[in-house]
Amino acid sequence: QSVLTQPPSASGTPGQRVTISCSGSSSNIGSNTVNWYQQLPGTAPKLLIYSNNQRPSGVPDRFSGSKSGTSASLAISGLQSEDEADYYCAAWDDSLNGPWVFGGGTKLTVL
Amino acid sequence: QVQLQESGPGLVKPSQTLSLTCTVSGGSISSGSYYWSWIRQPAGKGLEWIGRIYTSGSTNYNPSLKSRVTISVDTSKNQFSLKLSSVTAADTAVYYCARELIGLGGDYVDYWGQGTLVTVSS
Repeated sequence: QSVLTQPPSASGTPGQRVTISCSGSSSNIGSNTVNWYQQLPGTAPKLLIYSNNQRPSGVPDRFSGSKSGTSASLAISGLQSEDEADYYCAAWDDSLNGPWVFGGGTKLTVL
Repeated sequence: QVQLQESGPGLVKPSQTLSLTCTVSGGSISSGSYYWSWIRQPAGKGLEWIGRIYTSGSTNYNPSLKSRVTISVDTSKNQFSLKLSSVTAADTAVYYCARELIGLGGDYVDYWGQGTLVTVSS
């Protein structure tokens, strides 16, 4: 069971806006920034959002992140077929000086 | 553009030690701006952070694996390595090496290797 809680699945039609939630605790999300990763089938994860709401260069502005208290969210607007992937949230956990903890992942299906 | 490449045996016998090496290209592993990490993913499951090392040799390990894990760095070869002892079938996974950027606004893994599948089986 993952330390961070994500819904196992999400779906939407092309052009829609979808959000994926990530719930944690005071020792991880509550006191540290949240990062999001996209994993396309058969590939390594790719950084999507860092420091709660920052996009690396090359990531479309359709992707956005937010954090409030011990929860975070990833929003994808203008959904496209190539967005179909697994999405993971991650945060450092201050208990025992780490570790990085991840959500269990959310499989996004574009209908 | 930094690249990371894992290498090592794809099959390890139970109770033996899993050993992997990550070769970094396109940047120096001695840079003070990064940690160098290992992360694994069992088939069909989520990500699990194993541990990380700083260029100085300082390490952090996942408490759940700490008794079995050793991460080391060889700056002369621009490589870092993972050793996981007393493996069982539960250690079967794709193992990724990764670079973790030490950011002012928070750290994050910004580059990943392609991953290597390690199967624990007799």
